[in-house]
Amino acid sequence: QSALTQPASVSGSPGQSITISCTGTSSDIGGYSYVSWYQQPPGKAPKLIIYEGSKRPSGVSNRFSGSKSDNTASLTISGLQAEDEADYHCCSYTRSSTLVFGGGTKVTVL
Amino acid sequence: EVHLLESGGGLVQPGGSLTLSCAASGFTFSVYAMTWVRQAPGKGLEWVSSIGGSSGTTHYADSVKGRFTVSRDISKNTLYLQMNSLRAEDTAVYYCAKDSYTYSSSREPDYWGQGTLVTVSS
Repeated sequence: QSALTQPASVSGSPGQSITISCTGTSSDIGGYSYVSWYQQPPGKAPKLIIYEGSKRPSGVSNRFSGSKSDNTASLTISGLQAEDEADYHCCSYTRSSTLVFGGGTKVTVL
Repeated sequence: EVHLLESGGGLVQPGGSLTLSCAASGFTFSVYAMTWVRQAPGKGLEWVSSIGGSSGTTHYADSVKGRFTVSRDISKNTLYLQMNSLRAEDTAVYYCAKDSYTYSSSREPDYWGQGTLVTVSS
């Protein structure tokens, strides 16, 4: 199972919106609704911010939104803030009953 | 409140063995799928293994199949990862995570522990 494809880095100025893409195949992203996104600040554990492609857990800011089209999922961060600087990882359930992650995207607030 | 605490990491020589533990609390441990995910230094997350909810069905990444074994002790609310024939490329922080669902395989981990570092080196 190959890793999902994410851009290595994305940057934006405070207040702007940025979008991170996550591309897979019909055997993972394209075949299931179980696409999740995680925020990982430096030196810390990942935190779930989006599940089932577009749903936010309780307590997660509504500045984070997710979507999916065919084999690609996307995470959008609106009103970018300094505290959003972190690595972001996408994850999908697969046809083999396993999980596959993307390579991670480093978000920098300029 | 869900709490996951990994332990057992450390320095081990290539070819050696190590067992990681993950003590869980704050939820019904026996019904949720549980997952091990690792992160090599400076790299992304890599799914390692999962154990299903009530079924206890296990799944492994190809990179560890035949060398790692996931198990759980429901009476102790503890998840384990037995790692044998360790290689330099197994060096990583290992996280345990609770899944959002009670299926026989992990779908979307929702709570994560703080991780334990495994270093494989001579």
